[in-house]
Amino acid sequence: DADVTQTPRNRITKTGKRIMLECSQTKGHDRMYWYRQDPGLGLRLIYYSFDVKDINKGEISDGYSVSRQAQAKFSLSLESAIPNQTALYFCATSDPADTQYFGPGTRLTVL
Amino acid sequence: AQKITQTQPGMFVQEKEAVTLDCTYDTSDQSYGLFWYKQPSSGEMIFLIYQGSYDEQNATEGRYSLNFQKARKSANLVISASQLGDSAMYFCAMREGWNAGNNRKLIWGLGTSLAVNP
Repeated sequence: DADVTQTPRNRITKTGKRIMLECSQTKGHDRMYWYRQDPGLGLRLIYYSFDVKDINKGEISDGYSVSRQAQAKFSLSLESAIPNQTALYFCATSDPADTQYFGPGTRLTVL
Repeated sequence: AQKITQTQPGMFVQEKEAVTLDCTYDTSDQSYGLFWYKQPSSGEMIFLIYQGSYDEQNATEGRYSLNFQKARKSANLVISASQLGDSAMYFCAMREGWNAGNNRKLIWGLGTSLAVNP
């Protein structure tokens, strides 16, 4: 089984809808991250959490919110999706040496 | 400001040949780390190799090696004996130094697309 899982893997939604992307990990890491990837823009950090009680904004947090339900679970929500949030979204965890391990990604399309 | 630069948007290499993917970084920290990741067309991000700023030896992992030149602030990835399965995007990343405290994160380059020709 994969160490970092993301659901759903693909999602098509409409402008204005609320959507939640979920991430679970079995690596036992405290640190978790949400990134989005757009062609030509690389990976951009949305939110990160260094433990259950610690949530931090990344460089592009506007329009997103997160919830760290447990050490193993970190969810990303789009409260009112817009087309420019169409992207590939990654969840990642990191070990104490800061090596990051990624989930398979969620391809989100907002129409 | 800390930054990672990958100057090669796209590279081609013949199968079985070696290829070097460039990565330069900018930091004022003395302690930092450098990572390379591979992203095949299927989309997943795969960790390849890590080099710490105080490591005296260049990191190696199988066919991957990291040519670390600290004075030049470069951390190039060398792939030996390229295979068709090496065709992918490759990202260089730097861990912020200890000056960032407990909130240190990875800073990412924009990637290099590698195509291995048969």
